[in-house]
Amino acid sequence: QKEVEQDPGPLSVPEGAIVSLNCTYSNSAFQYFMWYRQYSRKGPELLMYTYSSGNKEDGRFTAQVDKSSKYISLFIRDSQPSDSATYLCAMSRSGNTPLVFGKGTRLSVIA
Amino acid sequence: DAGVIQSPRHEVTEMGQEVTLRCKPISGHDYLFWYRQTMMRGLELLIYFNNNVPIDDSGMPEDRFSAKMPNASFSTLKIQPSEPRDSAVYFCASSLGLVGGSHKNEQFFGPGTRLTVL
Repeated sequence: QKEVEQDPGPLSVPEGAIVSLNCTYSNSAFQYFMWYRQYSRKGPELLMYTYSSGNKEDGRFTAQVDKSSKYISLFIRDSQPSDSATYLCAMSRSGNTPLVFGKGTRLSVIA
Repeated sequence: DAGVIQSPRHEVTEMGQEVTLRCKPISGHDYLFWYRQTMMRGLELLIYFNNNVPIDDSGMPEDRFSAKMPNASFSTLKIQPSEPRDSAVYFCASSLGLVGGSHKNEQFFGPGTRLTVL
């Protein structure tokens, strides 16, 4: 079993829909959780950062962490065609360990 | 700052040839990472450096791969000899630190080098 599991999709939604992207993980030591967005033929860029459990909101984006279930989510409200990209979850155990990435979920928002 | 710079952006080579990928990290960043991305395996960490010293190379697939960081502003990833299964997008990233404490220590990625080995 991989440390981080993420459904690769693709996921296609109409403009304005609420999008839910998810990752599960097996290592209970993970404490730092991130979402990166990667546009086609570009490098990933940090979108959201969360420490431990709870929610974090930034504009149309909300990140949730449920450590008891080892499950993290990214919600996108009022999705736009410009949100079309691959979304990768990433997590880390501590300050001395590098990030472990999910495979990424490809999202298309159709106008 | 121009961000992380990688060259070349595209490389097409034949099996058995040596391939050298280059990276210039963001000035002042202490950490440099090399990743490989494929559809099948996603984004895999190959090796990372702290202050030019390799810290963890457990992700390097085999002895055909080597990486160096001779100074704070330059790193190379070399594949010799190359094989078709090495075809992938190779990313370099840099950060001030590893994630921890109150600092997200965001990793900044370069645009990647798309490698095709025929």
